[in-house]
Order: sequence, then C-alpha cells, then structure tokens
Amino acid sequence: GAVVSQHPSWVICKSGTSVKIECRSLDFQATTMFWYRQFPKQSLMLMATSNEGSKATYEQGVEKDKFLINHASLTLSTLTVTSAHPEDSSFYICSARRPGQGGGYTFGSGTRLTVV
Amino acid sequence: GDSVTQMEGPVTLSEEACLTINCTYTATGYPSLFWYVQYPGEGLQLLLKATKADDKGSNKGFEATYRKETTSFHLEKGSVQVSDSAVYFCALTDSGNTPLVFGKGTRLSVIA
Repeated sequence: GAVVSQHPSWVICKSGTSVKIECRSLDFQATTMFWYRQFPKQSLMLMATSNEGSKATYEQGVEKDKFLINHASLTLSTLTVTSAHPEDSSFYICSARRPGQGGGYTFGSGTRLTVV
Repeated sequence: GDSVTQMEGPVTLSEEACLTINCTYTATGYPSLFWYVQYPGEGLQLLLKATKADDKGSNKGFEATYRKETTSFHLEKGSVQVSDSAVYFCALTDSGNTPLVFGKGTRLSVIA
C-alpha cells in the first residue's frame, strides 16, 4: 500500500514550452504533497509544499510563477514548469506522507526533464 | 533550521566489506530519522527509520541507531553486495506533516 505514481518518467521539451508533471497517491489520500528537485549527483532540494484546496507554499528562491503547483484533489498534485529553459533540466520528485501514526513518506519514481 | 550532514562520497568497497556512512543532524525538536536509497535512474525508497532516541532501524542487513547524545544516525552494514550500489540519503523530519530534510547523499559503489 501507500503508492505514489509520478508521470511522466522522462520528458524532453523545447525551450519556451511548458511541461506538466503529475503526482498521484493511488491508495491513500494525501492532503499534502511535496515537490523536490535534484541536480546531478546532488541532494534533493525541497521546492514547495502542495496543499489540497489551497495555495502551495514555496521555498525561498523558487519562482512560484515558473513552477505552478495545483493540488485540486486529495489524490493528485501537478507541477507545471512554465516557459522552460535548459537550466530547468533536472530530476523532479514528488512525495506524500502515508496516513496514520508513524506514517512514512512515499516517493514517486521521479521525472527527468530535459529542456533543449 | 534543521539540517543533515552526511559523509561525502563516493565510497567504493569490495564485496563483503563493511560499510559505515556517517550522518549527523541538527534539529530543534525530537526528529524522526530516516535512511533512503536511490538506485540508478529511480526514485527514493525508504531503507529504514527510527523515531526516538536509542531506536535501531534495520532492513536488508542495514542498521542505524538513533543516538541523541551525539545527534547521529550512522548507517552500517556488515557485508555489502554489488546490488547495494546506490546513493544513500540520510533525512529527518520534525513532526506532523513537515517535509523531509535531506543530507547531500553518499554514492556507494561495490565492486566484485
């Protein structure tokens, strides 16, 4: 149980276009999801906290107009990279906390974005 | 704020060697501590966790003990295998629904 599905696994897009990444909790409801970004051979950096039915909370230095987060239901959060540029190329990973006491965090399999 | 410091890699070991990856943390409260593993091209998988002082998390031959006095959560394995080659992340969360804070990751390569 407690599976998080992230789609797509990889995407290549042209500079200036927008890309949407979906994160779904398949067998539990997630009022909060987290979006991370990982550069090659580096750690995961939290970008934003996605809250169902309300605005996302962005970390300092993350452009909210560039990285649009929507959490319209208890099982789906989306991250849209708008007007993508090569420097946005990265590995994006979503995460949700499993419900219940001691619930751990489940991660999606990640999306590798390459902007050309 | 909270932070996690783990040893720099990469670490290269021969099969059946002993592994220790150091992890120390800074937190204002009493965090839960985790080790996650990331295999090439994949997302993160929980390896083990500990939620209070002196707890020992274990899984797949890996162990880590929550040491409050030294604010540490070192990952150990007595005999590594080639299949253990991956990046290992130490992480913590304070409580509730707060996000995980990760260390920088340690890349482990095990050679036959």
